[in-house]
Amino acid sequence: EVQLVESGGGLVQPGGSLRLSCAASEFTFSSYWMSWVRQAPGKGLEWVANIKQDGSAKYYVDSVKGRFTISRDNAENSLYLQMNSLRVEDTAVYYCARGSAVAGTIFDFWGQGTLVTVSS
Amino acid sequence: EIVLTQSPATLSLSPGERATLSCRASQSVSNYLAWYQQKPGQAPRLLIYDASSRATGIPARFSGSGSGTDFTLTISSLEPEDFAVFYCQQRYNWPLTFGGGTKVEIK
Repeated sequence: EVQLVESGGGLVQPGGSLRLSCAASEFTFSSYWMSWVRQAPGKGLEWVANIKQDGSAKYYVDSVKGRFTISRDNAENSLYLQMNSLRVEDTAVYYCARGSAVAGTIFDFWGQGTLVTVSS
Repeated sequence: EIVLTQSPATLSLSPGERATLSCRASQSVSNYLAWYQQKPGQAPRLLIYDASSRATGIPARFSGSGSGTDFTLTISSLEPEDFAVFYCQQRYNWPLTFGGGTKVEIK
């Protein structure tokens, strides 16, 4: 069974940085697009960023461009999200999601999420 | 940015009843629309992709229809485990966007 396990969340002050990780197993990680999707407390889902299989293409929602960087290490079966200049509105559960074989922009498996709280 | 509007916000139904959820796009997304189910404290689960294709392992009581700007998710007969929040998502254009969700609650 596909497994995605996020880590790295926590409490950070506005303007601070955090690096999220997602450990993938039970599938060929290097063959799939990967994404980060977030959910603010009590709110809906928001796509944040995704990355192509070899890391050659990356896309971001406007609100995080220039502040967040998505990356991957296929040798380590890991996905990352470097988050800088964090804002209160970045507070959310961050999910790692796999892009399906049909299209990388369909999210067929999700991790359980890691909570990021930005507060002073 | 393509805005997805889901209706109703809340649907109160009893087990065994039919649920009909709507998702309307601000511009055409062709058939590039997916549906997800999310239960409290859990990650979302893919139900339907490309408007009408069921994801692996999804029961046949879940079906999707529509194209262009108007889409429907139908649950033919609600089971107790189906009560949750449902989201639609388009992949036609960047940024990828989700609807605001429809909560299906027990009446």
